[in-house]
Parts: sequence; structure tokens; C-alpha cells
Amino acid sequence: GAGVSQTPSNKVTEKGKYVELRCDPISGHTALYWYRQSLGQGPEFLIYFQGTGAADDSGLPNDRFFAVRPEGSVSTLKIQRTERGDSAVYLCASSLGSGWEQYFGPGTRLTVT
Amino acid sequence: GIQVEQSPPDLILQEGANSTLRCNFSDSVNNLQWFHQNPWGQLINLFYIPSGTKQNGRLSATTVATERYSLLYISSSQTTDSGVYFCAVGSYGQNFVFGPGTRLSVLP
Repeated sequence: GAGVSQTPSNKVTEKGKYVELRCDPISGHTALYWYRQSLGQGPEFLIYFQGTGAADDSGLPNDRFFAVRPEGSVSTLKIQRTERGDSAVYLCASSLGSGWEQYFGPGTRLTVT
Repeated sequence: GIQVEQSPPDLILQEGANSTLRCNFSDSVNNLQWFHQNPWGQLINLFYIPSGTKQNGRLSATTVATERYSLLYISSSQTTDSGVYFCAVGSYGQNFVFGPGTRLSVLP
């Protein structure tokens, strides 16, 4: 079946602009996760949704970052007033529930110029 | 929060060689996964193994939860095995945490 998909695959934006990154999880997966991966490092947790609600947003670096999952399926990660330090690969994963195996999408490479 | 260490950080092998990658973690876990990140950045699931032993072809993994470590074995390595191998763990009520990875290069 279809895996986790993310759009766009690449996004280049200017410093100060607003961006939205989209994640389509595997059908039936109630848990959805966002991670950020900088060059040469492992992915770092940002936020976890169980259904429509954010169960844990402790990894969001500051209030410029926000994520939603209004219908319990697709999720959007929103970044306001982008900074050059936000440049990274943003990864989305989904699972049947907390503690179950996570499956990752291909990521969105964000470059802030 | 939980700490995850991986060793070695880098590994260079000749094609056909065997290798063992190690993951140590600082607390009890209810989720442990091994991933291979290919040169295009895709994280490929290798094993979901919070405890016990599993095998899949040339790869196998063992997690000894009581001693807080996991091992990934790669036998008869191929050039396509090159990439970064990540261990990631989840603990009750805590986020999924990735280790720093082991970068594997398999030479022809």
C-alpha cells in the first residue's frame, strides 16, 4: 500500500517568509510525528499527534513553529518568519499508535536564503 | 530524557565482510527501531525490536532490554549497504529519540 508522503520535496524560501509543509500518513495510522534533521545528525523530534490533537509538542523550537492535523489524517507544519537556521530536512512519520513501529516519509528539504 | 549512543561512528568495510553495530540506551524502552538512511535521505525500516532477536536476510538484530543495548549484524556486506544506520528508541511517556548514527561505507 501507499507509504507516508510529503510535499513539497524541496522548498526554497527567503528569510522572513511563511512556509507550509504537508504530510499524508499511511491510511489508518492514528499517530503522526514530525522530525527535523540537520546535516550530519539524526532526526530530532518536533511534535506528535494522536488523532487530531497534539499529544506532545515539546520539541517545537519556538512559537514560530506550529502544526495542525484537523481531521486526524493529513498534517501541516507551519513555520512563520523563517530564519536561515530553519534550513533542514523535515521528516514526517506515522504509526498505528504510540509505541508502535514508525514509518517515515521521504522528507521536505527546506532552504531559507 | 533518554540518551542513545551508537558505535562505531564510522565503519569502512570491504564487500563481503561482516559487521556489528551497537546501540546503547539509558532507560527502559517500549520501542526500538533500526533504520538505514540511504544516500537520498530516505529512512528505511530495518527492524522493530524492543526486545528479542529478529533476522531478515543478511541482516539480524538483537535487543537485550534488561542491559539496555541492541546490536545490528550485517553479513556478507554489499555496496548497497552503504549509508547511515540509525537506532531510535521510545520510552514510556517520552519522545522517540535517535542516536547519532553509524556511517557505513562498503567498498567494492
